[in-house]
Amino acid sequence: DAKTTQPTSMDCAEGRAANLPCNHSTISGNEYVYWYRQIHSQGPQYIIHGLKNNETNEMASLIITEDRKSSTLILPHATLRDTAVYYCIVRVGNYGGSQGNLIFGKGTKLSVKP
Amino acid sequence: DVKVTQSSRYLVKRTGEKVFLECVQDMDHENMFWYRQDPGLGLRLIYFSYDVKMKEKGDIPEGYSVSREKKERFSLILESASTNQTSMYLCASTRDSPYEQYFGPGTRLTVT
Repeated sequence: DAKTTQPTSMDCAEGRAANLPCNHSTISGNEYVYWYRQIHSQGPQYIIHGLKNNETNEMASLIITEDRKSSTLILPHATLRDTAVYYCIVRVGNYGGSQGNLIFGKGTKLSVKP
Repeated sequence: DVKVTQSSRYLVKRTGEKVFLECVQDMDHENMFWYRQDPGLGLRLIYFSYDVKMKEKGDIPEGYSVSREKKERFSLILESASTNQTSMYLCASTRDSPYEQYFGPGTRLTVT
């Protein structure tokens, strides 16, 4: 799996959009970009994933650059409950056997402030 | 509502004890995982299972074993607990498609 690079920490004002960047310059053509988050003292929570098109769900939007070497997770209206560590992960899309696991790095600690 | 449950939120054990951590999922998922999480190191995969009675080593399997006798249950076993196994243990499960993993709340294990 390709490596990812994320800022260690970011701040965001409550009600504003939080834009979390991720670099994955060595991503290969069959690897997806996944985002998870972990709120303090809880297990990680899946947010969104994508291959090359931008994606949106009820939690967030994922913008992937055309060359796929970087992506941005957007929380459109951050709340205090969005304070968490956000992990960007790249991996192949097919599951089964040894390809089933996700490799979590150190992530970005997002602090949403009132 | 999908759910992954772990047998304990907090556990304190003595060095040398045998420790069982249990994980149960109610989503009929094929794949289940055990991770440990330590400050500054992120999540590290210990073992995973892609079917009943099937298991594969992750990145840090030493000192651990696993058991999957039923599809919904995946157990992590510390044969002889040591202080360096003090950690947060997280269980996760997923089906083949889509590929998001569902995590349990975690077990914070302290070995004294």
